[in-house]
Amino acid sequence: QVQLRESGPGLVKPSETLSLTCTVSGGSINNYYWIWIRQPPGKGLEFIGYVYYTGRTSYNPSLKSRITISIETSKNQFSLKLTSVTAADTAVYYCARLGEDGDGYFPLWGQGAQVTVSS
Amino acid sequence: DIVMTQSPDSLAVSLGERATIDCKSSQSLLYSNNKNYLAWYQQKPGHPPKMLIYWASTRESGVPDRFSGSGSGTDFTLTISSLQAEDVALYYCQQYYSGPYSFGQGTRLEIK
Repeated sequence: QVQLRESGPGLVKPSETLSLTCTVSGGSINNYYWIWIRQPPGKGLEFIGYVYYTGRTSYNPSLKSRITISIETSKNQFSLKLTSVTAADTAVYYCARLGEDGDGYFPLWGQGAQVTVSS
Repeated sequence: DIVMTQSPDSLAVSLGERATIDCKSSQSLLYSNNKNYLAWYQQKPGHPPKMLIYWASTRESGVPDRFSGSGSGTDFTLTISSLQAEDVALYYCQQYYSGPYSFGQGTRLEIK
């Protein structure tokens, strides 16, 4: 079955760029929307943005100025870059997939990657 | 942006009893296709959320039938008909009517 796995540095310095990659295995990245969501420690879930396999993106306006989400279909991967990070960006970052036909629920999630922003 | 508010923040229910969690949206999630754009998730410590319900009342494949979703418009409910020990978790509602997608603050369900 399709599985998602996040990878990237677990520690990022303030003002630097957070970079994460999600690898899709067991199925194709094509024809789906792929998402990033984060969860600060002890807090709720925040939608970051999504990318369609064509490269079309949509971002949360609260983070839009700092986010880039991209996709590499040949590698079955999509990525998140978040610039100018602060301690408030410390969170578990999840990659996920939208439902069939692009419906906006999330039936498939990665295990999550802990990212800490600290000097 | 649509704001999702869950109640209560925490809930303790005896094993075998019914548990209900409410979710209210700041605007209607009912689209012209007569579908409510709302999902429910369960999250256990150290794990990602698991989708239970979508379209407000459609159970995801493999989810036990003791979980059910109801409601329409701005008011929704997740019901666990007979609480099992493995149901202890955080529960979130999520709207996908319009961007940015948003979640409720979560409800912590415990055993009484």
